[in-house]
Amino acid sequence: GAVVSQHPSWVICKSGTSVKIECRSLDFQATTMFWYRQFPKQSLMLMATSNEGSKATYEQGVEKDKFLINHASLTLSTLTVTSAHPEDSSFYICSALGEWGGGGYGYTFGSGTRLTVV
Amino acid sequence: GENVEQHPSTLSVQEGDSAVIKCTYSDSASNYFPWYKQELGKRPQLIIDIRSNVGEKKDQRIAVTLNKTAKHFSLHITETQPEDSAVYFCAHDSNYQLIWGAGTKLIIKP
Repeated sequence: GAVVSQHPSWVICKSGTSVKIECRSLDFQATTMFWYRQFPKQSLMLMATSNEGSKATYEQGVEKDKFLINHASLTLSTLTVTSAHPEDSSFYICSALGEWGGGGYGYTFGSGTRLTVV
Repeated sequence: GENVEQHPSTLSVQEGDSAVIKCTYSDSASNYFPWYKQELGKRPQLIIDIRSNVGEKKDQRIAVTLNKTAKHFSLHITETQPEDSAVYFCAHDSNYQLIWGAGTKLIIKP
């Protein structure tokens, strides 16, 4: 089945530094990638949607200059948290929208990245 | 904007009993209704989904029902087991974007 590989699975960084999270679709082409943030005991909150080769669309309240998204190919999307602060500590998950044989489509999730900013 | 309401927020059932979680949505154009199970610190795992041309779908102990007229869909788990304990999320797609429920914490009591 469709697999999205997300790295790193966890990262601890110092306040003020930047962190890059990668998501790769391994056996299908991800036409669209969604980036979510999830705080403890809460639902997934969509941060932005990116399509290959175009600028990401950010949800209201998400700072585009702080959360940089690059979707340069149909198999790779990255999220960079710039100048991270403790309040950015969260669980970040990517999800790829892919279409496969038979007209089906679905959403495949990465394994998530636990970011802790100290 | 589009939203989905999920109830209850917490559900505690005796092992072996059934559990039902309900969601209502507002986008009449939605055609895809997945249910996800999420264990602590892990990604959401798709457990069952239903598309708008089907009213009910079953996979072993798990079933989903959809009522497009009333705009609600439900997850049914029968013969619950300890490993069913997790947080369950309903979702539906609107313009190829998933809209998520707030989640239900399911607790299976031994």
